[in-house]
Amino acid sequence: EVVLTQSPGTLSLSPGERVTLSCRASETISTYLAWYQHRPGQAPRLLIFGASSRASGIPGRFSGSGSGTDFFLTISSLEPDDFAVYYCQQYGNLPRTFGQGTKVDIK
Amino acid sequence: VHLQESGPGLVKASETLSLTCSVSGGFVTSDGYHWSWIRQLPGKGLDWIGHVSYNGATYFNPSLKSRATISVDASNNQFSLTLTSVTAADTAVYFCAGTVTTRWFDPWGQGTQVTVSS
Repeated sequence: EVVLTQSPGTLSLSPGERVTLSCRASETISTYLAWYQHRPGQAPRLLIFGASSRASGIPGRFSGSGSGTDFFLTISSLEPDDFAVYYCQQYGNLPRTFGQGTKVDIK
Repeated sequence: VHLQESGPGLVKASETLSLTCSVSGGFVTSDGYHWSWIRQLPGKGLDWIGHVSYNGATYFNPSLKSRATISVDASNNQFSLTLTSVTAADTAVYFCAGTVTTRWFDPWGQGTQVTVSS
């Protein structure tokens, strides 16, 4: 199965800062990658699919990039609601697999 | 579409875990829809269990070694997960999710905690 490795594990940042999260795949998956946001006690939310396409209703401050094995999620200016855990997920192969998550918390 | 998981929070080791996901704002038999179960093991990331499609086809993560079943109950507009012979390693938060592709997951339920006791 495709192993996704996210880095860093945790980031401590302030509102207004720009952040870039990384997701590396153990084999090439073209652009078959999605990103999710998960706040405690809430349903995870799809942010990005196709590595760079924003899901419906997702603000423009979220952007995705990358292809092959290296992918990135950028939040251009952190807002209070953005402090959460972010997961990448690949759909290039079965079984579908997720990264272990990057936690973005408030400094 | 809104999803809500339900089921027992505590299951004894070696027994069978059964969870249900109620679907509102749409129909579980809608053409092109696929329904998944995903779990979050303690301190770890997310683990895809498998899915059932609108036509009844299923696919499961081989890591579960055939212990999982996912089925659709059209009359109650819900779908279910059954996991047999549970152990402490199955303790997790279980999420249901839907998708119009088999690729990504949207929407998700809020998740339900299941603890396996010895």
